[in-house]
Amino acid sequence: GDSVTQMEGPVTLSEEAFLTINCTYTATGYPSLFWYVQYPGEGLQLLLKATKADDKGSNKGFEATYRKETTSFHLEKGSVQVSDSAVYFCALITPVSGGGADGLTFGKGTHLIIQP
Amino acid sequence: NAGVMQNPRHLVRRRGQEARLRCSPVKGHSHVYWYRQLPEEGLKFMVYLQKENIIDESGMPKERFSAEFPKEGPSILRIQQVVRGDSAAYFCASSPRVKNEQFFGPGTRLTVL
Repeated sequence: GDSVTQMEGPVTLSEEAFLTINCTYTATGYPSLFWYVQYPGEGLQLLLKATKADDKGSNKGFEATYRKETTSFHLEKGSVQVSDSAVYFCALITPVSGGGADGLTFGKGTHLIIQP
Repeated sequence: NAGVMQNPRHLVRRRGQEARLRCSPVKGHSHVYWYRQLPEEGLKFMVYLQKENIIDESGMPKERFSAEFPKEGPSILRIQQVVRGDSAAYFCASSPRVKNEQFFGPGTRLTVL
């Protein structure tokens, strides 16, 4: 079945550091890929997405590129801020023609802590 | 535009009671999904519904759990005879089309005493 693996946390960085959170996947067909962010006590917010190979999703300084050859969708940001502290989830959904469950498949989440 | 709304935000039940969680999707969205987040784990898909129909319940526990999305009103996730292991955050999401990006509500945090 479909699965998403992302690096375990917590990841602790200083403000203005470079961020990479790794995400790899196993899926049927060609899934759409997502990064969601969850702030304490809140629901998930969509951060960015990519729907086909070599697509780059970007938002709020975050970027991730859909790499089909390595089945990866790593999240990056050049200079993190204290306000980026949150839990980040990588997720996928298989296309209508590819079968698979109708819901998103999530990784376990990576807790990011940014220190001033 | 109002986003996905869930209520209650916090729910406390004693073992053996029933829990009812409600979800109103984004206006115009006819696809609703329920997920469960256990402590220290990611979100697990439970069920996918369209108006009046359960489409995919592959992640739903076989007993005590049920879901509905009536023609009028919110979607309901119902847990009968709750046990301590049901304590979790339950999130609802909606989308305008199947297999599309999903918009999440703030969640209902269920505590079973």
